[in-house]
Amino acid sequence: DVKVTQSSRYLVKRTGEKVFLECVQDMDHENMFWYRQDPGLGLRLIYFSYDVKMKEKGDIPEGYSVSREKKERFSLILESASTNQTSMYLCASRGEENEQFFGPGTRLTVL
Amino acid sequence: RKEVEQDPGPFNVPEGATVAFNCTYSNSASQSFFWYRQDCRKEPKLLMSVYSSGNEDGRFTAQLNRASQYISLLIRDSKLSDSATYLCVVTPYSGGYQKVTFGTGTKLQVIP
Repeated sequence: DVKVTQSSRYLVKRTGEKVFLECVQDMDHENMFWYRQDPGLGLRLIYFSYDVKMKEKGDIPEGYSVSREKKERFSLILESASTNQTSMYLCASRGEENEQFFGPGTRLTVL
Repeated sequence: RKEVEQDPGPFNVPEGATVAFNCTYSNSASQSFFWYRQDCRKEPKLLMSVYSSGNEDGRFTAQLNRASQYISLLIRDSKLSDSATYLCVVTPYSGGYQKVTFGTGTKLQVIP
């Protein structure tokens, strides 16, 4: 079974803090994704990566950056957290048949 | 028009009922289709892929109608444990990176 893990299930941060969310997958997948999920808006793609050190912006990249130094690890960085970044953050990796496997999510609250 | 549209529900059905959800998509070049299930405050999990010929997995049947650009999910003999939000997912190609589009989900509540 594919396993995608995320570093934290719950995080509380203050406005202006730098926040790191980490994601690790164990299936040697090339493609990894970061989404945020908000009520009524569904899943929105922030960034994705198709290889080590390669990244592409998704639909809502503003206020975020990413890092992929190793194939199995994809990190999302909030440079200066703001209250409108309070959300559920979901990492996923993509399998050979284009299906996505999600991590358990990180529920981030920015105060 | 949204790229992928689902009726948000909620669909409240009694145990044992049959329920069907539809999901319409706007990009006629879409080629990969999936249904995911998401429990409250959990991550989405792949329920099943949707193939052109339709496919069945136990009580679940998924179908694709390319002419009308929608996919459907049929659940027979509903169980309480089927209560969840069902997301449809559409991608334009079958290889390489493509923009994956998620519907906002249809909520199902199975009632005893």
